[in-house]
Amino acid sequence: GGIITQTPKFLIGQEGQKLTLKCQQNFNHDTMYWYRQDSGKGLRLIYYSITENDLQKGDLSEGYDASREKKSSFSLTVTSAQKNEMAVFLCASNGGGQNTLYFGAGTRLSVL
Amino acid sequence: GEKVEQHQSTLSVREGDSAVINCTYTDTASSYFPWYKQEAGKSLHFVIDIRSNVDRKQSQRLTVLLDKKAKRFSLHITATQPEDSAIYFCAASMGNYAQGLTFGLGTRVSVFP
Repeated sequence: GGIITQTPKFLIGQEGQKLTLKCQQNFNHDTMYWYRQDSGKGLRLIYYSITENDLQKGDLSEGYDASREKKSSFSLTVTSAQKNEMAVFLCASNGGGQNTLYFGAGTRLSVL
Repeated sequence: GEKVEQHQSTLSVREGDSAVINCTYTDTASSYFPWYKQEAGKSLHFVIDIRSNVDRKQSQRLTVLLDKKAKRFSLHITATQPEDSAIYFCAASMGNYAQGLTFGLGTRVSVFP
């Protein structure tokens, strides 16, 4: 089995700050995703990547940058944190011809 | 783009009874419909899925039904147990999975004794 590790688990930022979230997977999956989970709004796709150095925008990409430095890692940057923003960011991956997404435990963001 | 509507935000069910969660989708091109479960304080994990070439799929106490005409699919949980208490998300996507899924807002299922 494999695991997806997201760091940090909790992230507190200041308004306007640039914040980076990291995700590592050891499934050897090709495709990785970043989702945002807001209370009452379900999951929304921010970015995904189908291979190293590939980036594809999701529905919620504005205000975010992403980076797929190597197959096993996928980073997400909040370019300018919004005051009172609170959300959970979920990293996921899939591969090997399988559709099943494997999710990390999430990074919970709070902006003061 | 695709929109997935999950019709119940909460569902309470007595232990041992059945639970049914309904979802509808808008894009007739959608062909893959998975369900994910999120237990309290944990992340999502896959529970069951169905493809548009079948209209029913069962895995132990879980059954998914798909009505392509009505663009509706549902998750049926029989003989509910306390560990079934969780938020369940339905989702839909077209065949190319790399595009990502469109998720519903989730249904919080509470199983009470």
